[in-house]
Amino acid sequence: KAGVTQTPRYLIKTRGQQVTLSCSPISGHRSVSWYQQTPGQGLQFLFEYFSETQRNKGNFPGRFSGRQFSNSRSEMNVSTLELGDSALYLCASSFRWGQGLSYNEQFFGPGTRLTVL
Amino acid sequence: AQSVSQHNHHVILSEAASLELGCNYSYGGTVNLFWYVQYPGQHLQLLLKYFSGDPLVKGIKGFEAEFIKSKFSFNLRKPSVQWSDTAEYFCAVKSSASKIIFGSGTRLSIRP
Repeated sequence: KAGVTQTPRYLIKTRGQQVTLSCSPISGHRSVSWYQQTPGQGLQFLFEYFSETQRNKGNFPGRFSGRQFSNSRSEMNVSTLELGDSALYLCASSFRWGQGLSYNEQFFGPGTRLTVL
Repeated sequence: AQSVSQHNHHVILSEAASLELGCNYSYGGTVNLFWYVQYPGQHLQLLLKYFSGDPLVKGIKGFEAEFIKSKFSFNLRKPSVQWSDTAEYFCAVKSSASKIIFGSGTRLSIRP
C-alpha cells in the first residue's frame, strides 16, 4: 500500500510570491491534515480536511489556505510569502477525521521543504 | 488552552544508557497521548499511544511510556538505547474537543 505522498519535495520562493503544495493520502483515507514544522517549534497544526470540508483549523493567518478534492487529495496554498514561512510542511492522512477521542492514527508524508528568500 | 511541553531540547547519550524523555501537558480532561519519532531523512511515525486502560504503554523498538494523570505527564523510556535510536521525538496530546497538539520535540543523539 503506497504511503502519503507530497509534491514537490523542495521549493525555493521569494518573499511576496505564493506557493501551492500537494498531498495525496493513503488509498482509502479521507482525512488530510497539514502541519508546519520548524526547529524549536515542533509541529504546528494548520488545518484538517475531511470529505472536502475543513473540519479543524489552527492559528495561522489567512494567507494559509487549503482545499480537498473529491479523491481526497489535498492542496495547501500560502500567499504573499514571508521569510518566516520557511519550514517543512507535513501532510498526514487518516481514515476518519479527528473528532472525539476514538482511535484514528495519522500517517505522515515526507514533507515539502519550503525556503523563502 | 491545551499545550504540550518537552523540556529537553537535545539529549546526548552513550549506547546502552537508559533514556527518559519528559512530556507534560496542560488539560484537565480526558486525553489521548502519543509519541512520534522522526529518524533522519524519514517520515514521522507513531512510536506508541495511550488511549485508556493500563497507563504503562509499550511501543515499537523497545520503547515504553507511562501516563501519570496526577502529574499530567507521559514520559518516554527505553532501558538501553542504540545508535539507531538517534532521531527527533515528539510528544502529542489530543482531547475530544480539539485538534492534536505536538510538543516542540527532543533531539536524541547517541554516541556509538
